[in-house]
Amino acid sequence: AQSVTQLGSHVSVSEGALVLLRCNYSSSVPPYLFWYVQYPNQGLQLLLKYTSAATLVKGINGFEAEFKKSETSFHLTKPSAHMSDAAEYFCAVMSTGNQFYFGTGTSLTVIP
Amino acid sequence: DTAVSQTPKYLVTQMGNDKSIKCEQNLGHDTMYWYKQDSKKFLKIMFSYNNKELIINETVPNRFSPKSPDKAHLNLHINSLELGDSAVYFCASSPGQLNTEAFFGQGTRLTVV
Repeated sequence: AQSVTQLGSHVSVSEGALVLLRCNYSSSVPPYLFWYVQYPNQGLQLLLKYTSAATLVKGINGFEAEFKKSETSFHLTKPSAHMSDAAEYFCAVMSTGNQFYFGTGTSLTVIP
Repeated sequence: DTAVSQTPKYLVTQMGNDKSIKCEQNLGHDTMYWYKQDSKKFLKIMFSYNNKELIINETVPNRFSPKSPDKAHLNLHINSLELGDSAVYFCASSPGQLNTEAFFGQGTRLTVV
């Protein structure tokens, strides 16, 4: 079964520093990958998605992710963290049954 | 208009009770889902419906039952509530195609006391 693994359940960065959240997927076929963000007491909001059109995907709020087949990775980055980026981030994969499987999440803390 | 709406937002109930959570989407999507998010933020898929047909049931207790009166609604019924059912439940919908994302509701925080 397809799945995703997020390394690091908690990541702390200083305001203005690079944000790097890791996601690896397991599949023999390039999957459909997504990053979602969850702010406190809210639902999940799509940040970006990979759909095989380009390996570097740009999303909302300055986030981007690069699909690397050789590394089976889809890491999320942002050049400069902002206080408002503090949230829970989820990597997800969509399987052929139209099911979304989520990673365990990474809690991002931004230190002023 | 909210794309995916759930009611209620908060639900506090006693063990043994039966409760329902409603979900409606106005996006015209073909597939709807229910997810459970536990205290560690882990998201587990419970059910998905495609055109009113259940297409997956991820080994959840049979006390949980989805009901879909039409394509725009997927309600979650829970019988004989247990303490371990306390969690946040999210409804979601998607067009059901491989390159499309899911849209989530705001969640229902269920607390069983």
